[in-house]
Amino acid sequence: NAGVTQTPKFRILKIGQSMTLQCTQDMNHNYMYWYRQDPGMGLKLIYYSVGAGITDKGEVPNGYNVSRSTTEDFPLRLELAAPSQTSVYFCASSETKTASSYEQYFGPGTRLTVT
Amino acid sequence: AQSVTQLDSHVSVSEGTPVLLRCNYSSSYSPSLFWYVQHPNKGLQLLLKYTSAATLVKGINGFEAEFKKSETSFHLTKPSAHMSDAAEYFCVVGGKGGYQKVTFGTGTKLQVIP
Repeated sequence: NAGVTQTPKFRILKIGQSMTLQCTQDMNHNYMYWYRQDPGMGLKLIYYSVGAGITDKGEVPNGYNVSRSTTEDFPLRLELAAPSQTSVYFCASSETKTASSYEQYFGPGTRLTVT
Repeated sequence: AQSVTQLDSHVSVSEGTPVLLRCNYSSSYSPSLFWYVQHPNKGLQLLLKYTSAATLVKGINGFEAEFKKSETSFHLTKPSAHMSDAAEYFCVVGGKGGYQKVTFGTGTKLQVIP
């Protein structure tokens, strides 16, 4: 049982390049999330999904796009990378059997640098 | 609306002494509260959670937290710090929301001195 996996672990991008951060979970969770973590700022929600085919914006969606074609996968796309997108990105998932559980399972993160 | 405040950005303790990481929350509803731990260059791992059952919650690795509604607090404690406890700790509040919205605190870095 791998849980939540993310690839790549590290990436350096030049300004204006694009890339996709991959996220896969094998727990059959309906809810999936993308966060970015900046020093001293905690985690900020970028996008989330409540099930295959359904996505919505979080707190900081500008410059990012997502899709959710399957329950397992929730890729995050960066178009026209900017230095402000230098961050550590975490994917997470949670189940929905109880509305108040909210426990999220996190992947190991992708450390992205844009120069 | 909900928010969470971690009162200390850094805490330093000696090995074998008690740990106290402070967290205050604000929520319009009966909240769910969590503590997560993040070791260097790792993802977040759940330490413990409160979801309106017992107010004293026990977690992994000897940590526990007490929900105090009158003080809107959910402080994390451990009787005796171990070197392996050195990490960043996040207090998280969850409220009502169609996507299980949670709000993260800004984190407390725990340093354990040998």
